[in-house]
Amino acid sequence: TQLLEQSPQFLSIQEGENLTVYCNSSSVFSSLQWYRQEPGEGPVLLVTVVTGGEVKKLKRLTFQFGDARKDSSLHITAAQPGDTGLYLCAGAGSQGNLIFGKGTKLSVKP
Amino acid sequence: NAGVMQNPRHLVRRRGQEARLRCSPMKGHSHVYWYRQLPEEGLKFMVYLQKENIIDESGMPKERFSAEFPKEGPSILRIQQVVRGDSAAYFCASSAVGGANVLTFGAGSRLTVL
Repeated sequence: TQLLEQSPQFLSIQEGENLTVYCNSSSVFSSLQWYRQEPGEGPVLLVTVVTGGEVKKLKRLTFQFGDARKDSSLHITAAQPGDTGLYLCAGAGSQGNLIFGKGTKLSVKP
Repeated sequence: NAGVMQNPRHLVRRRGQEARLRCSPMKGHSHVYWYRQLPEEGLKFMVYLQKENIIDESGMPKERFSAEFPKEGPSILRIQQVVRGDSAAYFCASSAVGGANVLTFGAGSRLTVL
């Protein structure tokens, strides 16, 4: 069974701080995706990482895919209250579906 | 170009009633996925459909739940004889091609069972 473990489960920080959230698995994934979900809405895709060791930057967000393609991290620099939300990682399952981790709930206080 | 449309956004049912959730994929998308999300949890895969075909239903409970994606019209997730444990947010996503490519999600349907 392919599982994605995300940590931490909850994170509460002050505006301006940096943070890193993790997504780990014992399985190899051909790609991993990161989504952000706000309350009452569906997840919105942030990035897809495909190549082992790949690093992608999206403004203050930096995504990394592990060399072995089993893990990924999301680093946010100088967090802002607008970054508040549930961050989900997801990987392609064996039958064409997308498997999600349980997410990291981030709260950035002004 | 409208995104993935789900309705109703909120649905309240009493135990034993039926719930029907509808999903219209993005224009040009022929792959539809249904997920369930409990409070404070991630999304749990339920079923993956293409037009008129169920590709993968490994996440669907064996009883009371069914899904379809007819040739014409929206995809429908049907829950018969609902129980309190069915209360959750149900999300639909669509993609242009299969294989867990980029999914576009709808805003979800929140089912409350009294």
